[in-house]
Amino acid sequence: ILNVEQSPQSLHVQEGDSTNFTCSFPSSNFYALHWYRWETAKSPEALFVMTLNGDEKKKGRISATLNTKEGYSYLYIKGSQPEDSATYLCASTGPRDSGYALNFGKGTSLLVTP
Amino acid sequence: KAGVTQTPRYLIKTRGQQVTLSCSPISGHRSVSWYQQTPGQGLQFLFEYFSETQRNKGNFPGRFSGRQFSNSRSEMNVSTLELGDSALYLCASSLDGVAAKNIQYFGAGTRLSVL
Repeated sequence: ILNVEQSPQSLHVQEGDSTNFTCSFPSSNFYALHWYRWETAKSPEALFVMTLNGDEKKKGRISATLNTKEGYSYLYIKGSQPEDSATYLCASTGPRDSGYALNFGKGTSLLVTP
Repeated sequence: KAGVTQTPRYLIKTRGQQVTLSCSPISGHRSVSWYQQTPGQGLQFLFEYFSETQRNKGNFPGRFSGRQFSNSRSEMNVSTLELGDSALYLCASSLDGVAAKNIQYFGAGTRLSVL
């Protein structure tokens, strides 16, 4: 079972601030890393899926990087907006013999105030 | 294209009862996974069904079971409910399984309260 840790647990920033979160995972048997955004009263929404060491993905003001050798991923939000307020989840998967099950961290709760 | 639909949205049961939750995946998606979220915990993987077969299973007791029908709709059953089963249950569908690169599309969840 992969233990996925996310930090910080929660974050409160002002509109316009840039911020970043960390997701750490065991680097052995790594296969893929997923990031999801979960807004209150809505369904989790996929942001990125990354598999390759050094991978970088970008979606608007949000970007993510992946380091599979040391077992971490960073999610960056540039110029945070109130609508970015949500819980950000990361999940890693192991190889096929682990069933590719998604192992989620507990998330980072972001609050952006005007 | 309709999203993942879960029914019911809310459910109240008493200890010892059983409950069935339903999940209709996005059209064309063959895999359905189920997750449990309890307060203070991350999403915990329950099981995944693909083409009517359970392909993966998380670390949950046998009271938790599921099935998938030929139209890919899935049901999850919990028997002999315990207070600790109170949680948000999410299902997610994807084209080809929980496999690494496939994005999971989540439903809105069923919130189960066990009294």
